[in-house]
Amino acid sequence: DGGITQSPKYLFRKEGQNVTLSCEQNLNHDAMYWYRQDPGQGLRLIYYSQIVNDFQKGDIAEGYSVSREKKESFPLTVTSAQKNPTAFYLCASSIGQGYGYTFGSGTRLTVV
Amino acid sequence: KNQVEQSPQSLIILEGKNCTLQCNYTVSPFSNLRWYKQDTGRGPVSLTIMTFSENTKSNGRYTATLDADTKQSSLHITASQLSDSASYICVVTILTSGTYKYIFGTGTRLKVLA
Repeated sequence: DGGITQSPKYLFRKEGQNVTLSCEQNLNHDAMYWYRQDPGQGLRLIYYSQIVNDFQKGDIAEGYSVSREKKESFPLTVTSAQKNPTAFYLCASSIGQGYGYTFGSGTRLTVV
Repeated sequence: KNQVEQSPQSLIILEGKNCTLQCNYTVSPFSNLRWYKQDTGRGPVSLTIMTFSENTKSNGRYTATLDADTKQSSLHITASQLSDSASYICVVTILTSGTYKYIFGTGTRLKVLA
């Protein structure tokens, strides 16, 4: 079955640590996105990539980094510079700009 | 400022009843509007997409309406089921300088009780 897979489902981070969230898709989609979801707020765009080896900052990129070495994969690293990383992180993919998203199941990151 | 506002924030109804969720937007230039359903702890799943010229669109028991003049959309759920308990998110797409941008509402949390 085609889909988009995020792992792990739950992740705990100690202060000062970097952690990496995985996102893999087998839909052959060109575009991939990372969003952050906080209670009472709409989804906010962290980074997006429209093609391999290229990515752009979204609205809240500070403290995050990404890579897009393969079409299928778009990992997100939450660095120690992100001061408030506790949130639900959603990865999405689409055929291209303006088309609807297919979302992953999310990763809940908690700072301990 | 581009904004999407949803109401109510939360809603509780009995199984079998109908309900309507609202989405008001102040965005420009409008491209399309989508409704997503998000189960707790899961990613959103698309329910409908509506362009400027469409007034209504159905997906099973879900019917979305769009009034481009008043910049309002609604999602009507008929004969609710327990599985309808979820958050419903309205997303408006704008197109500026050749780039699409998605403006997300904060969602309406629906609880259906037996």
